Amino acid sequence: SQQGEEDPQALSIQEGENATMNCSYKTSINNLQWYRQNSGRGLVHLILIRSNEREKHSGRLRVTLDTSKKSSSLLITASRAADTASYFCATALGASGSRLTFGEGTQLTVNP
Amino acid sequence: DTGVSQNPRHKITKRGQNVTFRCDPISEHNRLYWYRQTLGQGPEFLTYFQNEAQLEKSRLLSDRFSAERPKGSFSTLEIQRTEQGDSAMYLCASRLDPGHYGYTFGSGTRLTVV
Repeated sequence: SQQGEEDPQALSIQEGENATMNCSYKTSINNLQWYRQNSGRGLVHLILIRSNEREKHSGRLRVTLDTSKKSSSLLITASRAADTASYFCATALGASGSRLTFGEGTQLTVNP
Repeated sequence: DTGVSQNPRHKITKRGQNVTFRCDPISEHNRLYWYRQTLGQGPEFLTYFQNEAQLEKSRLLSDRFSAERPKGSFSTLEIQRTEQGDSAMYLCASRLDPGHYGYTFGSGTRLTVV
């Protein structure tokens, strides 16, 4: 079963704008990860945030985690047409982060 | 290392036939995972290995599905007596454990059962 729920399901913005995607989950986690998937391809790992972290940055990506609300957000700043993809959050439950449970994803379209 | 490799990329089979997929993980990664993804959905966990030991199987993995990782390197996923509902993208991923690392996914095998 899916642990996470992403919001919105679809997002369309103009190049240069920021994109924010949200993820909610149900149970306590070890870490939360964000992945990108271009159409028909495998997933690419973007960023991992541990349960004891609140914010993390990687290039144009900013991830926040609120364990009290069981939610996370992914912010992509200064978006580019190449950022067009599906974005998934995934939670790792076990002590060493065994398997991941994915949400249903947000489809981001960045218009040139 | 060229990452996680999956073969074949596409497979079309008739209902009732058996199919086998192969995954070659990153060589130093001790954990290997299989996921299934249908259109518009996130990946769903099937099973994972720590070296050659299969540590967990999902309830999704019916008795028609079997996975192996005989020498702790490559892995195979076999589906017997395929059904139309098996049509999906089958994704393999690997990672190094322990540690807070993300997964490295392959490009997947797209199965179509006709």
